[in-house]
Amino acid sequence: SQTIHQWPATLVQPVGSPLSLECTVEGTSNPNLYWYRQAAGRGLQLLFYSVGIGQISSEVPQNLSASRPQDRQFILSSKKLLLSDSGFYLCAWSVGTGGFEKLFFGSGTQLSVL
Amino acid sequence: GQNIDQPTEMTATEGAIVQINCTYQTSGFNGLFWYQQHAGEAPTFLSYNVLDGLEEKGRFSSFLSRSKGYSYLLLKELQMKDSASYLCAVMDSNYQLIWGAGTKLIIKP
Repeated sequence: SQTIHQWPATLVQPVGSPLSLECTVEGTSNPNLYWYRQAAGRGLQLLFYSVGIGQISSEVPQNLSASRPQDRQFILSSKKLLLSDSGFYLCAWSVGTGGFEKLFFGSGTQLSVL
Repeated sequence: GQNIDQPTEMTATEGAIVQINCTYQTSGFNGLFWYQQHAGEAPTFLSYNVLDGLEEKGRFSSFLSRSKGYSYLLLKELQMKDSASYLCAVMDSNYQLIWGAGTKLIIKP
């Protein structure tokens, strides 16, 4: 069966510090991978998605970046965090293209930038 | 612009029925999804509608009217564990998911 691991669960970082969130998927090959951010009272915001190794699409210009060094590994990074980067970050995977594409989410990382 | 509207919060009684509405305005339509999200946890898939009509899955049903840009999620025989946020999302013509802000459902005994 497929599983998705995301860590850490919670993170408190000072403004200006770097960030690295990691996500790995097991039990499937060549998944589509996603990073979302969820702010209180707002819909999920797609940050990055990847359809293959080294292929990253950015949806929102910001000080975050993503990398996919291996087929089932997706990393979200920042060189210098801003207060506005606080939020609940979710990694997700899916298979298939177009139409019905069910997302499977990781357990999320609650990031607080102080 | 693209927009998904759903009520911010609803309250219902254990054992009752509740209907959560979702209206959308998107660039094209390739399906509508409902996800359940308990506080502090990840969303989990509930249902998918791409054709008009009602899809029933146990206590949960989802309805779609494409001509009206409208869907609802119907929860029957409510249980305390149904207390959660319910997220509506529409896949647009570019196969991008547009998400609503979610409806927080509070179940009272």
